[in-house]
Amino acid sequence: NAGVTQTPKFQVLKTGQSMTLQCAQDMNHEYMSWYRQDPGMGLRLIHYSVGAGITDQGEVPNGYNVSRSTTEDFPLRLLSAAPSQTSVYFCASRGSHSSVLSDTQYFGPGTRLTVL
Amino acid sequence: KQEVTQIPAALSVPEGENLVLNCSFTDSAIYNLQWFRQDPGKGLTSLLLIQSSQREQTSGRLNASLDKSSGRSTLYIAASQPGDSATYLCAVRPAAQKLVFGQGTRLTINP
Repeated sequence: NAGVTQTPKFQVLKTGQSMTLQCAQDMNHEYMSWYRQDPGMGLRLIHYSVGAGITDQGEVPNGYNVSRSTTEDFPLRLLSAAPSQTSVYFCASRGSHSSVLSDTQYFGPGTRLTVL
Repeated sequence: KQEVTQIPAALSVPEGENLVLNCSFTDSAIYNLQWFRQDPGKGLTSLLLIQSSQREQTSGRLNASLDKSSGRSTLYIAASQPGDSATYLCAVRPAAQKLVFGQGTRLTINP
């Protein structure tokens, strides 16, 4: 059981380039989400999904796209990278049923992205 | 808009001391509150989750309390160890799909 995995761990992009941050979980969780962590701003929700085929915007969605074709995977796409998207990106997941275990949020190790 | 505040931003204590980390939130309408630990360059590890109907949760040397009416939570760490050094984050769930995080308390335990 690997939990939540993210690739790559580090990435450097030039302004205007596009890329996809990968996220996968093997816990059969329905809920998945993407956060970014910036100094002085804390963690902020970018996009989330409540199940395969269903996604919605979070607090800071501009410049990012997501899709959820399977329960396991939830990739985050940067369409045209900007320096303001330099950040650490975390993927998270949790279960769907109402219990303490399913309410617990599990996080991946993060992707450190620098946009020059 | 829900806001979460953690004070102090940094704390340094000698090994063996008991300590308390504080978290406050502005809106009492929450599903639950979760405490996380983050080591430098790493992801977040869940420590304790308190449902809105609960008052406290315990795990080993950690005890978290929740006073929803006053918008406060504390994380108590007993007999601190150098391995407890990390940043501790508090997060509340105001809606089903969202966590609102505090900025964290950076804890250093000195041997």
